[in-house]
Amino acid sequence: QKEVEQNSGPLSVPEGAIASLNCTYSDRGSQSFFWYRQYSGKSPELIMFIYSNGDKEDGRFTAQLNKASQYVSLLIRDSQPSDSATYLCAVTGNKLTFGGGTRVLVKP
Amino acid sequence: SQTIHQWPATLVQPVGSPLSLECTVEGTSNPNLYWYRQAAGRGLQLLFYSVGIGQISSEVPQNLSASRPQDRQFILSSKKLLLSDSGFYLCAWSAGPNEQFFGPGTRLTVL
Repeated sequence: QKEVEQNSGPLSVPEGAIASLNCTYSDRGSQSFFWYRQYSGKSPELIMFIYSNGDKEDGRFTAQLNKASQYVSLLIRDSQPSDSATYLCAVTGNKLTFGGGTRVLVKP
Repeated sequence: SQTIHQWPATLVQPVGSPLSLECTVEGTSNPNLYWYRQAAGRGLQLLFYSVGIGQISSEVPQNLSASRPQDRQFILSSKKLLLSDSGFYLCAWSAGPNEQFFGPGTRLTVL
């Protein structure tokens, strides 16, 4: 079992819809959770972090954390074509571990 | 603010040739530094990390090596490149075990 798992996609969403990305992790002691966005050919950039159970909103992005179920999700509201990218989930136990990423395609 | 630089941006090298990629960080002291490789369409593979000058930890055995000659400088090297070394090489820094910040990357093609 991989330490951090994501559906590779592609997740295809129409413009204006909500994109929902999920990530599960195996280390129950994980404390910090991050979402990175990576455009094709570019390096990953940090877009969200969450430390506590519940929701955290930042603009059109909402991160949701459920430590009991060991999953973290990212919602992208009002999806735009510019949101088309690969989204990487990363989890910290004693080190930062990345999932394989979910490719999102937003179609006009 | 902190800035991370990598060079070169792209590199095409023949099989069996040596490699040297450089990464420098500005605006922070004693950062943790990381080298990742990302093959086409694949996830991030951690190659090396360093918590201080001269301290290198290797995550996977391979024909690559890393060095940290200065606090904010991290170098990835190889004596003889293989075809399988092609990929997108990313340097990252962090202030601790949490979020990492990535440089622009070096795209390496081995022919």
